[in-house]
Amino acid sequence: KNQVEQSPQSLIILEGKNCTLQCNYTVSPFSNLRWYKQDTGRGPVSLTIMTFSENTKSNGRYTATLDADTKQSSLHITASQLSDSASYICVVRANQAGTALIFGKGTTLSVSS
Amino acid sequence: NAGVTQTPKFRVLKTGQSMTLLCAQDMNHEYMYWYRQDPGMGLRLIHYSVGEGTTAKGEVPDGYNVSRLKKQNFLLGLESAAPSQTSVYFCASSTPGGYGYTFGSGTRLTVV
Repeated sequence: KNQVEQSPQSLIILEGKNCTLQCNYTVSPFSNLRWYKQDTGRGPVSLTIMTFSENTKSNGRYTATLDADTKQSSLHITASQLSDSASYICVVRANQAGTALIFGKGTTLSVSS
Repeated sequence: NAGVTQTPKFRVLKTGQSMTLLCAQDMNHEYMYWYRQDPGMGLRLIHYSVGEGTTAKGEVPDGYNVSRLKKQNFLLGLESAAPSQTSVYFCASSTPGGYGYTFGSGTRLTVV
């Protein structure tokens, strides 16, 4: 069964600190992996998309890595800000026609001052 | 450029009532999707459409119906609402390759 698992479930950090979120997946055949940020009361917004051949991709203070061999990904947030407080969702797309995305349950990040 | 617009944003229904959620996109995307998001769970696909006039079941389709009469609109219907359908519903659209995936801002539905 295609699954995406994220850890930790929740995380609290101080403003200015770095953090790393983890994602493991068992999706086959693999097409791409995405990280989304979802603010409270809003829809998810894409941060990065990585295909099989991409190991790392950055979007400002967000850097995602992908190890397709071990089926693991991470999202590193540098110099966190209060506005980073949100749910971060790892999403994998299977390489099948008409197939939508497989979502992890998300990691809730709280950045405190 | 609005992207994906969902209406209404909030709704309270009594058990057994019916309603329709509207999703509209202005990006000329072929694919559209309806998801529900419940506490402690990832987004789950209800129904999706790969083009005008076509729909398909997702992971949790029971109790819902959909229609895609126009390319830009995707409607989600609840014929007889149940408390288990209390959730936040998200519409999304994308290209056939799954790129440009854009979500609406959600509809919070409460069934009492």
